[in-house]
Amino acid sequence: GAVVSQHPSRVICKSGTSVKIECRSLDFQATTMFWYRQFPKQSLMLMATSNEGSKATYEQGVEKDKFLINHASLTLSTLTVTSAHPEDSSFYICSARARGSGAPLEQFFGPGTRLTVL
Amino acid sequence: AQSVTQLDSHVSVSEGTPVLLRCNYSSSYSPSLFWYVQHPNKGLQLLLKYTSAATLVKGINGFEAEFKKSETSFHLTKPSAHMSDAAEYFCVRTGGYNKLIFGAGTRLAVHP
Repeated sequence: GAVVSQHPSRVICKSGTSVKIECRSLDFQATTMFWYRQFPKQSLMLMATSNEGSKATYEQGVEKDKFLINHASLTLSTLTVTSAHPEDSSFYICSARARGSGAPLEQFFGPGTRLTVL
Repeated sequence: AQSVTQLDSHVSVSEGTPVLLRCNYSSSYSPSLFWYVQHPNKGLQLLLKYTSAATLVKGINGFEAEFKKSETSFHLTKPSAHMSDAAEYFCVRTGGYNKLIFGAGTRLAVHP
């Protein structure tokens, strides 16, 4: 149980285009999803917290107009990187907290999406 | 400020020898603490977690960690390393608003 999937696993796009990454909780309902980015050989940095049915909360320094987050249902959150540039190339990982979880602080992580912007 | 410090960026051990990955946290209260493992180009897998129950926590794949409040430490250990243990390990603590705060990571190399 508690499986989180991401799609696509890898994407290459041209500079200036937009890319959408999906994060799904497959066997549980997630009231809260988190988006992280990870640069090579670095740790995970939280970008934003996404609550179902409400606007995402972005961390300081993260451009909300560039990284659009939508959490339209209890099993799906999307991250859209708009007008992508090479510096946006990174590994994007989502995580989800289960609704009514007995361990409310635990997050379940997706496998990540490798974005390369040419 | 809430933080996690992983004292070693790289650890190298021989197969069959013990593993010790060190982690210290700073806080005015006892947080929940986790260890995650990440294999190359993969997501994170939870090894174990401490949530104010037993201070010695046993996880998957033979790993365990001991919560020591007096030392504000949560070091990860394994008696005997396997080649498959080679990966990046993250010590993680809870922060405010249900957020997780990640350490910088420790890359474990296992040599034959």
